[in-house]
Amino acid sequence: DGGITQSPKYLFRKEGQNVTLSCEQNLNHDAMYWYRQDPGQGLRLIYYSQIVNDFQKGDIAEGYSVSREKKESFPLTVTSAQKNPTAFYLCASSISATRGDGGYTFGSGTRLTVV
Amino acid sequence: QKEVEQNSGPLSVPEGAIASLNCTYSDRGSQSFFWYRQYSGKSPELIMFIYSNGDKEDGRFTAQLNKASQYVSLLIRDSQPSDSATYLCAVNIGTSYDKVIFGPGTSLSVIP
Repeated sequence: DGGITQSPKYLFRKEGQNVTLSCEQNLNHDAMYWYRQDPGQGLRLIYYSQIVNDFQKGDIAEGYSVSREKKESFPLTVTSAQKNPTAFYLCASSISATRGDGGYTFGSGTRLTVV
Repeated sequence: QKEVEQNSGPLSVPEGAIASLNCTYSDRGSQSFFWYRQYSGKSPELIMFIYSNGDKEDGRFTAQLNKASQYVSLLIRDSQPSDSATYLCAVNIGTSYDKVIFGPGTSLSVIP
């Protein structure tokens, strides 16, 4: 079955540590996205990528980095510069980055906690 | 600042009733509108999208769009306890998915 796989499901980060969240899709979608969800708030866009080897900052990119070396993969690194990283991180994909293709498919999410 | 607003709820309805979820948006240039369902602790799941004014029906779900009033709603007929979840409204501003703004969500509880 096609879908998006995020790992790990739970991640604990120590102060000053960089951590990487994995996102892999086998839907043959061109566009991929990273969102952050905090309790009681809507999803906020961190980074997105429309094609391989290209990505753009979203609304809250500070303290995060991404790469898109393969169409299927879009890992997110939470760096030590991100001062409040505790949140639910969601990876999503869409057929393309233009309207008319019906929305996102989301992965199951990674819950990151600072310890 | 472009915004998407929803009543946070919780909205409680008895089993079998119609649940009505509302969403307003600030940008008149908005093109596409989506409803996602999110169960507690899980990721969002797309349940409806609508591009044109009027109603769009899919099973027990009906999305209603009124661009003049900048209003989109989701009706759930014959509500079931399994419909208890948070419903996220998302609005695509412009022609690219990098301009999708999510509302904060409305929590729905269907009481058996």
